[in-house]
Amino acid sequence: TQLLEQSPQFLSIQEGENLTVYCNSSSVFSSLQWYRQEPGEGPVLLVTVVTGGEVKKLKRLTFQFGDARKDSSLHITAAQPGDTGLYLCAGSNFGNEKLTFGTGTRLTIIP
Amino acid sequence: EPEVTQTPSHQVTQMGQEVILRCVPISNHLYFYWYRQILGQKVEFLVSFYNNEISEKSEIFDDQFSVERPDGSNFTLKIRSTKLEDSAMYFCASSDYESGYGREAFFGQGTRLTVV
Repeated sequence: TQLLEQSPQFLSIQEGENLTVYCNSSSVFSSLQWYRQEPGEGPVLLVTVVTGGEVKKLKRLTFQFGDARKDSSLHITAAQPGDTGLYLCAGSNFGNEKLTFGTGTRLTIIP
Repeated sequence: EPEVTQTPSHQVTQMGQEVILRCVPISNHLYFYWYRQILGQKVEFLVSFYNNEISEKSEIFDDQFSVERPDGSNFTLKIRSTKLEDSAMYFCASSDYESGYGREAFFGQGTRLTVV
């Protein structure tokens, strides 16, 4: 069974600060997705990373896939209250249909 | 922007009753999924569906569950005899096999099922 552990589980920081959340596994994934989920809603896809070492930027969000494709990080620069939410990583493998979701990081940005 | 839509948004049912959760995936997508999220827990895979048949299912997806694509647009999840532990948020998702980026899945807003 492949598992994805996210850390920290909860993070509360002031507006304008930088932060990094992590997604780690002992297993290799073909690709890894990051989602954001608001209360009572479905996960919304932010980005997909496929290549080991890949870095993708989405405005103030920077996503990195580890060289061995076992881990990933999400870095947010100058956090804003609109960044508040539950951040989920999810891994998948070619030839296997399912997404394996991580445990989630609940981020709160204090104005 | 295309989106996955789910109905109803909330469903309350009595234990032992049958429920059908409905989804309209993104129109040009080929893979369809159901996931569930029990309150405060991880999102869990239930089943995937491709080419009019189940392609993968989890241990959760036992004989009480079934999926169907009755026409060209709808995708349904049926729970035959609901149990209290089936209470959860159920998410439908779809993906485009041709994306080339593995299984990028786009999720619906979810159906909150409460079994009483």
